[in-house]
Amino acid sequence: QTVVTQEPSLTVSPGGTVTLTCASSTGAVTSGYYPNWFQQKPGQTPRALIYSTSNKQSWTPARFSGSLLGGKAALTLSGVQPEDEAEYYCLLYYGGAWVFGGGTKLTVL
Amino acid sequence: QVQLVQSGAEVKKPGASVKVSCKASGYTFTSYYMHWVRQAPGQGLEWMGIINPSSGSTAYAQKFQGRLTMTRDTSTSIVYMELSSLRSEDTAVYYCARGGNGDYSQTGDYWGQGTLVTVSS
Repeated sequence: QTVVTQEPSLTVSPGGTVTLTCASSTGAVTSGYYPNWFQQKPGQTPRALIYSTSNKQSWTPARFSGSLLGGKAALTLSGVQPEDEAEYYCLLYYGGAWVFGGGTKLTVL
Repeated sequence: QVQLVQSGAEVKKPGASVKVSCKASGYTFTSYYMHWVRQAPGQGLEWMGIINPSSGSTAYAQKFQGRLTMTRDTSTSIVYMELSSLRSEDTAVYYCARGGNGDYSQTGDYWGQGTLVTVSS
């Protein structure tokens, strides 16, 4: 049973910077896991932000960036806005199957 | 514009089956994979499976093997997700989400609106 682990919750101040991470129980996350990141606000459908580690969707604000960091996939928000308060999910590819992380609830306070 | 429109909410009894549809428009249906994802009330996202609308080939999460069937109708650009032997734990919102154009690097750039399936006696 493959497990993808994210921080359950993080808090950041408006204008600050925060990094969310995504770890795999199988070992280091590499580009071959095609990390995707999604944002979901209460009552809304998930919205894609990042695909294949660091590629942004056309609608993804510039303050969002994706990378690999210390064997994990990472999503960094720079200059956080109040509207960035949401749940964030990563998704990893395991050769024919995909697994979501448990999500990180980001609070902007 | 790309749109994925799902069928309406369902209420089912334990042991029954449910079939949810997802009609795609605004792009070449057979060129992009389609995923199904579910979300139980107050819980996270759970990947269920993927279908290649061109070939009809599928791959399912191990958890759903034997209970899950994904099919497609290329004449109407609809993909279907059927889950059988329903139990209360299957109560969730079910989403279709577009996958990559012949590759696996991109998942879920567009999502359906979600279909609430409630399993209750």
